[in-house]
Amino acid sequence: EAGVAQSPRYKIIEKRQSVAFWCNPISGHATLYWYQQILGQGPKLLIQFQNNGVVDDSQLPKDRFSAERLKGVDSTLKIQPAKLEDSAVYLCASSLVGHGNTEAFFGQGTRLTVV
Amino acid sequence: RKEVEQDPGPFNVPEGATVAFNCTYSNSASQSFFWYRQDCRKEPKLLMSVYSSGNEDGRFTAQLNRASQYISLLIRDSKLSDSATYLCVVTNQAGTALIFGKGTTLSVSS
Repeated sequence: EAGVAQSPRYKIIEKRQSVAFWCNPISGHATLYWYQQILGQGPKLLIQFQNNGVVDDSQLPKDRFSAERLKGVDSTLKIQPAKLEDSAVYLCASSLVGHGNTEAFFGQGTRLTVV
Repeated sequence: RKEVEQDPGPFNVPEGATVAFNCTYSNSASQSFFWYRQDCRKEPKLLMSVYSSGNEDGRFTAQLNRASQYISLLIRDSKLSDSATYLCVVTNQAGTALIFGKGTTLSVSS
């Protein structure tokens, strides 16, 4: 079974530039999450989708971050404009249903460096 | 108070040692609890779920104390391959998403 696919693996941009990350969850998984993991920290939830609807985006900095999940499958996360503190690994995860007692499978992440 | 707090670490132990990690969580409404493992520069992966009755998987034992809002992970007979960061995870109030602790790093040496 294919896992969660993310691209690109690495990205280096200058501050104030824009960047987009892409995620393809495991087939059939209704729930998709985007997490931000800063070096030395645990993953922090940015946004959760159930199919193509947003369940929780309370920690998404909406002035610069946006995310969408068209057709309830693939998802993109965008940052515009980027700040130095956005340097982190952006992890996409998916699970069968939106209940926390089901396992979340993570992609390998996109490592973003803002200079 | 942070939602999930873990031992600061790092833990440096020799092969064969027994090591215990502790975790506390702030939301008494959390219903599900897990330990995830994250290898260096890799993604987190589920290690085991944690149940009120306690559960064991080989050398790994997880315990939950709801009254104290405390979770633990015990690793017996440590192997070199156990070297990783161990993340304590609880569900959010809605029970729909995972809240991660900062993680505790374990280094097992020969």
